[in-house]
Amino acid sequence: NAGVTQTPKFRILKIGQSMTLQCTQDMNHNYMYWYRQDPGMGLKLIYYSVGAGITDKGEVPNGYNVSRSTTEDFPLRLELAAPSQTSVYFCASTKDRGGTDTQYFGPGTRLTVL
Amino acid sequence: AQTVTQSQPEMSVQEAETVTLSCTYDTSESDYYLFWYKQPPSRQMILVIRQEAYKQQNATENRFSVNFQKAAKSFSLKISDSQLGDAAMYFCAYRSRFNSGGSNYKLTFGKGTLLTVNP
Repeated sequence: NAGVTQTPKFRILKIGQSMTLQCTQDMNHNYMYWYRQDPGMGLKLIYYSVGAGITDKGEVPNGYNVSRSTTEDFPLRLELAAPSQTSVYFCASTKDRGGTDTQYFGPGTRLTVL
Repeated sequence: AQTVTQSQPEMSVQEAETVTLSCTYDTSESDYYLFWYKQPPSRQMILVIRQEAYKQQNATENRFSVNFQKAAKSFSLKISDSQLGDAAMYFCAYRSRFNSGGSNYKLTFGKGTLLTVNP
């Protein structure tokens, strides 16, 4: 049981490039989340999904897109990278909203946009 | 909207001593969850302890305990017998229990407190 896994661990992008951050969980969790953590700050929610085929915006969705074609995978897409997107990105999951309410986090992806 | 405030950017404690990290929050809701997460240099977010607002009893997990004061909207974390491995950034977080416009899906985090443990 690997929990929540994220790839890559590190990435440097040039302005205007695009990339996809991968997130996979093997706990059969329905709910998945993407957060970003800027230096000296707590995490802010970018997007979340309550199940396959269902996604919704969080606090800071601009510049990102997501999809949820399977229960296990929840990729985050950056289409036109900007320096403001330099951050550490965390994926998380929960079984459901009324259960333990404990979010399990992946190890994070450190992204730098130059 | 809910807010979480951690007023101590940094704290330090001697090994084997006790330290308390502060957290206050603002909400109009009566039912919610509060969490303390630990983030070591590896950057993994690790759940330390969880408190349900409808429970008056303070949560404890081994050396970690909380002082939950609902009326004062305060949720402090006490670490007893501090160990070198406790050194990390600690985040306080809030989550609604019931869904209101999707609000119960997200955690609202404070800015964190960096804890240093001195040998």
